[in-house]
Amino acid sequence: GESVGLHLPTLSVQEGDNSIINCAYSNSASDYFIWYKQESGKGPQFIIDIRSNMDKRQGQRVTVLLNKTVKHLSLQIAATQPGDSAVYFCAENLGAGSYQLTFGKGTKLSVIP
Amino acid sequence: DAGVIQSPRHEVTEMGQEVTLRCKPISGHNSLFWYRQTMMRGLELLIYFNNNVPIDDSGMPEDRFSAKMPNASFSTLKIQPSEPRDSAVYFCASSSSLAVNNEQFFGPGTRLTVL
Repeated sequence: GESVGLHLPTLSVQEGDNSIINCAYSNSASDYFIWYKQESGKGPQFIIDIRSNMDKRQGQRVTVLLNKTVKHLSLQIAATQPGDSAVYFCAENLGAGSYQLTFGKGTKLSVIP
Repeated sequence: DAGVIQSPRHEVTEMGQEVTLRCKPISGHNSLFWYRQTMMRGLELLIYFNNNVPIDDSGMPEDRFSAKMPNASFSTLKIQPSEPRDSAVYFCASSSSLAVNNEQFFGPGTRLTVL
């Protein structure tokens, strides 16, 4: 999801369903990607990462998919729970010795109990 | 471990005043990052340090912004003079090293409002 102006894209999901959050990244040279979760009033928290030599990586209830052809990243959350309600950001690292992360604008996930 | 500590959590000030934000990184972490978050621009990296030395400050928006890290357990971000457009949430993060695959741990942030 891309941000437009002041409004974050929002995804509403029923508790127990799977969630898919999308991110379009900007630089074809980026070689490392991270998904962060940010709950209200807190700082971002690392969820899962993936390197550009992979197209899929799984964690606990989360899966990240990377499509380098179209510069697209997605985060899948299985069996979404109320505690998953947060804003989710993707971040990319440009590689080539860069230590910086460039963050996307975020997607707000709301879980309906 | 208490995690990254930031103070104050909230700051309200008037335009023209000096603002100092403080950060205590996780003990043993060698790298420290300052970010700014707004709805319009999202999360932006301002400056980062490694072993108390500033490595890249290209994200600092103007000369009104300065950051220091006098020792391994303390960093400040100062805005002088502050302006309403500086209103944002400022985050400090630390990691064990600059390697990008070393997780950055974020503090709770300081919400700055400049009137």
